[in-house]
Amino acid sequence: GENVEQHPSTLSVQEGDSAVIKCTYSDSASNYFPWYKQELGKRPQLIIDIRSNVGEKKDQRIAVTLNKTAKHFSLHITETQPEDSAVYFCAASSNDMRFGAGTRLTVKP
Amino acid sequence: DTEVTQTPKHLVMGMTNKKSLKCEQHMGHRAMYWYKQKAKKPPELMFVYSYEKLSINESVPSRFSPECPNSSLLNLHLHALQPEDSALYLCASSQGARRDTQYFGPGTRLTVL
Repeated sequence: GENVEQHPSTLSVQEGDSAVIKCTYSDSASNYFPWYKQELGKRPQLIIDIRSNVGEKKDQRIAVTLNKTAKHFSLHITETQPEDSAVYFCAASSNDMRFGAGTRLTVKP
Repeated sequence: DTEVTQTPKHLVMGMTNKKSLKCEQHMGHRAMYWYKQKAKKPPELMFVYSYEKLSINESVPSRFSPECPNSSLLNLHLHALQPEDSALYLCASSQGARRDTQYFGPGTRLTVL
């Protein structure tokens, strides 16, 4: 089955800086890669996703890149704000979705 | 309606109790999921219903019993739980195939005494 590794487990940045979270996956059949943001006590919310026929996707301050050959994908957040502080989960999906272990992002004002 | 809803928000139960968690969506999604999430961990898949049929049971103990009465509703029946079953139970739904985007409900915070 699919195995997803996510790094780093914690990330602290200054407001306005960029944050990058990286994930690798094992199943070459995986073709859908969502990113979820989960604030304390709340549900995971989809923030951006990418499918395997695309190398990069951007939505305002958030971008995701995918390297299918290397089987890794990354989340990039630019101009970080304190409200970006949360746990971020990557996931990879072939038949079923598997989550990475999560990254706790703290943005210091 | 573009949300997945779950009831109750919080549940405290003893090890001999029987209770049920409920999940509802009206987005026309045909796949629904139960996840268990412990603190500081990712969601862990428990069950998947696809077109109202159970398609995955991830080796979950029989004290958890899922039910899908119709395409909009998903229940999780709980009986004789253990304290280590205390967690956030999340429901999710997706349009059709299990690889589609999943949308999560707010979860039920379960405490087993």
